[in-house]
Amino acid sequence: DADVTQTPRNRITKTGKRIMLECSQTKGHDRMYWYRQDPGLGLRLIYYSFDVKDINKGEISDGYSVSRQAQAKFSLSLESAIPNQTALYFCATSDRLAGGYNEQFFGPGTRLTVL
Amino acid sequence: AQKVTQAQTEISVVEKEDVTLDCVYETRDTTYYLFWYKQPPSGELVFLIRRNSFDEQNEISGRYSWNFQKSTSSFNFTITASQVVDSAVYFCALSEAFGNEKLTFGTGTRLTIIP
Repeated sequence: DADVTQTPRNRITKTGKRIMLECSQTKGHDRMYWYRQDPGLGLRLIYYSFDVKDINKGEISDGYSVSRQAQAKFSLSLESAIPNQTALYFCATSDRLAGGYNEQFFGPGTRLTVL
Repeated sequence: AQKVTQAQTEISVVEKEDVTLDCVYETRDTTYYLFWYKQPPSGELVFLIRRNSFDEQNEISGRYSWNFQKSTSSFNFTITASQVVDSAVYFCALSEAFGNEKLTFGTGTRLTIIP
């Protein structure tokens, strides 16, 4: 079974709808991240969380919110989706106990289309 | 602010040729980590290598090798005797400082190996 899972894997929605993307991990990592990938722009950080009570904005947090319900779960919400939020979304985790080696492990991605 | 530049947007080579993917980074920190990730056509992100700023030794792993040069702020990736399975988008990424595990990604290089 995959260590980092994302649901749904694909989603088509309409402008103005609220949508939630969910991420779960079984790696026991403290740190979780949400990125979006757009063609030609690489991956950009939306939000990150270093533990259950910690939420931090990333590079492009406007229009998004997150919830860290438990150590293993980190959800990304689009309160009112707009077409330019069409992208591939990745969740990632890392282990703060890894002695500074902060490799991140990525989920399979969620392809979101906003019409 | 940190920045990663992958100037090569797309590269195509014939199978069995060697190919080098360039990565140039900017950071004001003296302690940082550099990474390469592979994104095959299936879309997932696969970790390839991590290098910390104090270790300038080049690394070889099978057909893959990495050349880290602090003097030129570069962390280049070479694939020797390329194979069709190497076709993917490759991302270079930078993380500043221990405990601050936010990755800044380059825009990626799409590598196509022609059979």
